Amino acid sequence: DTEVTQTPKHLVMGMTNKKSLKCEQHMGHRAMYWYKQKAKKPPELMFVYSYEKLSINESVPSRFSPECPNSSLLNLHLHALQPEDSALYLCASSQLPGQATEAFFGQGTRLTVV
Amino acid sequence: AQKVTQAQTEISVVEKEDVTLDCVYETRDTTYYLFWYKQPPSGELVFLIRRNSFDEQNEISGRYSWNFQKSTSSFNFTITASQVVDSAVYFCALRPTMNRDDKIIFGKGTRLHILP
Repeated sequence: DTEVTQTPKHLVMGMTNKKSLKCEQHMGHRAMYWYKQKAKKPPELMFVYSYEKLSINESVPSRFSPECPNSSLLNLHLHALQPEDSALYLCASSQLPGQATEAFFGQGTRLTVV
Repeated sequence: AQKVTQAQTEISVVEKEDVTLDCVYETRDTTYYLFWYKQPPSGELVFLIRRNSFDEQNEISGRYSWNFQKSTSSFNFTITASQVVDSAVYFCALRPTMNRDDKIIFGKGTRLHILP
């Protein structure tokens, strides 16, 4: 099983809303990631969690707030987003932090901010 | 610099033709990993292959094959007898190991259209 599950698949939110994106994996992976992907661009790294602790924040605005409640779950809390934050948000996981194994990606959440 | 270059932005071929997607990388690390991912319209990035810097053997998996040439810093991907289902964006990616920071560096991707 190499599945990373993301919910919801689509999300439309207003600029004053608060919403959360969820990601789940049951592969025992201890590194989890959030990526943002704009149309016709490669994925851009936002956050990395290693052993449930935030290890990388790529200077992401504070309106994006990640959370890793346990080794299987990763959330991304959204608040006061801007229309330019509309994008595909991808979650990924890999086996062990610091080891250069491949990452497995979810199907993503297509977010539209209106 | 750590960088992946996919010079082909978009390629169109007719079904059953062979097609090669180019990937050139730059890294200071002596140990690193290279990957190819496929992204169909549904959005998910599908892992295709991993190759480490010490293993220059070419790999074949069905209609897919990969050619890793350390001397030219290239990791090219060939689809033989292409099919419409191969239409997708393909990303080449690099994972350096020196910093142990778990970052994957993606190329800009090649959009492949297989025409029936």
